[in-house]
Amino acid sequence: NAGVTQTPKFRVLKTGQSMTLLCAQDMNHEYMYWYRQDPGMGLRLIHYSVGEGTTAKGEVPDGYNVSRLKKQNFLLGLESAAPSQTSVYFCASLSDSNTGELFFGEGSRLTVL
Amino acid sequence: AQSVTQLDSQVPVFEEAPVELRCNYSSSVSVYLFWYVQYPNQGLQLLLKYLSGSTLVKGINGFEAEFNKSQTSFHLRKPSVHISDTAEYFCAVSVTGFQKLVFGTGTRLLVSP
Repeated sequence: NAGVTQTPKFRVLKTGQSMTLLCAQDMNHEYMYWYRQDPGMGLRLIHYSVGEGTTAKGEVPDGYNVSRLKKQNFLLGLESAAPSQTSVYFCASLSDSNTGELFFGEGSRLTVL
Repeated sequence: AQSVTQLDSQVPVFEEAPVELRCNYSSSVSVYLFWYVQYPNQGLQLLLKYLSGSTLVKGINGFEAEFNKSQTSFHLRKPSVHISDTAEYFCAVSVTGFQKLVFGTGTRLLVSP
């Protein structure tokens, strides 16, 4: 059981380049999330989705776009990367049952030069 | 809006000693509370949660937490820590069901021999 899988795990970009992070979950979960983790700031919610075809803004959405075309996949895009987007990105999913447990991927470390 | 404060960014402790990691939250309505643990180079995983009922909650790996509504706290405790407990611990709160969790900034627990 793979759970939540993120690709790529590491990436180095130059300022202005674009890229997409892919999150895939095999648990048939309705809700999916993208967080960024920065030292001393904990996890901050970028965007989330409450079901296939839906997306919503989180705490820090600027500079990012997302899509949820299939229930199992949640894509995070950076159209024009900036050094401030250097971070570790985590995808998570949540079932629609009353457990409250988020399942996290292992993270994607992005460096923007 | 709800918020979470973890006052200690780092807690050093010797092996087999007791430890308490502090978490305070602010919310004017009922909350759900969580502790997640992040081992080095991994995603987060659920340690324990408070949804309702008994204010003393037991989790995995011998950890427990007590919900104190009057002090708006949800401190995490373990009576005797192991080297393997070295990790970062995040407190999180949700008021709108489980769809959106707000995380604290994390506490790094460093257990030495």
